[in-house]
Amino acid sequence: DVKVTQSSRYLVKRTGEKVFLECVQDMDHENMFWYRQDPGLGLRLIYFSYDVKMKEKGDIPEGYSVSREKKERFSLILESASTNQTSMYLCASSPAGTSATNEQFFGPGTRLTVL
Amino acid sequence: KQEVTQIPAALSVPEGENLVLNCSFTDSAIYNLQWFRQDPGKGLTSLLLIQSSQREQTSGRLNASLDKSSGRSTLYIAASQPGDSATYLCAVVSNDYKLSFGAGTTVTVRA
Repeated sequence: DVKVTQSSRYLVKRTGEKVFLECVQDMDHENMFWYRQDPGLGLRLIYFSYDVKMKEKGDIPEGYSVSREKKERFSLILESASTNQTSMYLCASSPAGTSATNEQFFGPGTRLTVL
Repeated sequence: KQEVTQIPAALSVPEGENLVLNCSFTDSAIYNLQWFRQDPGKGLTSLLLIQSSQREQTSGRLNASLDKSSGRSTLYIAASQPGDSATYLCAVVSNDYKLSFGAGTTVTVRA
């Protein structure tokens, strides 16, 4: 079974802090994704990566950056957390090539609260 | 930009009834469509993936159909059980290779 794990289930941070959300997958997938999920807005893509050291902006990249130094790990970074970044963050991975024909597998999510 | 709509937003049925969940999308140039299940406060579990060349996929009590030309997919769940209570999300991969999600249908199956 594909396993996607996220470093924390719940996280509470203060405004202005630098926040790291970690995602690890154990199935040697090339593609990895970060989404946020908000009531009424659904899931929105923040960043994605098709390979190590590669990154592409999604629909809402502002205020976020990412790092992919190893194939199995994709990190989401909030440089200076703000209250409007309080949300559920979901990581996903999928096999080789584009995401066009490949199924995405999701982690359990990290619920981040910024005070 | 791809827009994905799911109707109804919420559904409550007695146990044993069949469930019909609808998903529509505005751009028919898709590569695949995926149905997910999400339990409260949890991540997404993939249920079915339909490639653009396929018309349906089945897994146990679940059957999903795809009509790409009309921009529609339907998820059928036969003989619903209380354990089927969850939010069901539809997502499509368009020609920009990004996954676009609907807002979901929240299902309650009453025992």
